[in-house]
Amino acid sequence: DIVMTQTPLSLSVTPGQPASISCKSNQSLLHSDGKTYLYWYLQKPGQSPQLLIYEVSSRFSGVPDTFSGSGSGTDFTLKISRVEAEDVGIYYCMQGIRLPWTFGQGTKVEIK
Amino acid sequence: QVQMVESGGGLVKPGGSLRLSCAASGFTFSDSYMTWIRQAPGKGLEWLSYISSSASTIYYADSVKGRFTISRDNAKNLFYLQMNSLRAEDTAVYYCARNSRFLDVWGKGTTVTVSS
Repeated sequence: DIVMTQTPLSLSVTPGQPASISCKSNQSLLHSDGKTYLYWYLQKPGQSPQLLIYEVSSRFSGVPDTFSGSGSGTDFTLKISRVEAEDVGIYYCMQGIRLPWTFGQGTKVEIK
Repeated sequence: QVQMVESGGGLVKPGGSLRLSCAASGFTFSDSYMTWIRQAPGKGLEWLSYISSSASTIYYADSVKGRFTISRDNAKNLFYLQMNSLRAEDTAVYYCARNSRFLDVWGKGTTVTVSS
């Protein structure tokens, strides 16, 4: 199975400040079709996960442009340019290149 | 409105069975791949299984292979997870999700507790 490792596991951020989460896979997520199958999800408290970013850097419909994804191969980053109160929750990266699809351990983001 | 609603969770003894259902609405269910994912208490997300639109392609995680069976009824916009030989470690919130290019629509989840 592909192992997804996120750092840090928790983050406390002052509102309006940026935040960054790293996600590393132990195998390349670049497919022969040219796409890289790395996704970011946010699970807000008491809710089901919601898709933020797909294929490394594409924002899903309705996701504010304060969220951005970058990276390639095995190394990826989710950045929040200005953290707001509604951004609190647990962020997960997920690989979709090879079954079983696997998630990172999650990064808990809270507001200072 | 696009939505998924799970049902069928509950308390079951070890070794018992349960069938989860997921009702889909607001999109063409028969064209969609569907997925089950679970989250044990205080833990992360674990992909369990997916089924293609016609049910011709099905995959399972090793942790549930041979015990769980995914199926669907396109006429009713429903898909299912039959869970047999349940263990304490199967205790979790079970989510269904639509699998388009990505997991873009999730249900709110249904809780399964396996305990004597």
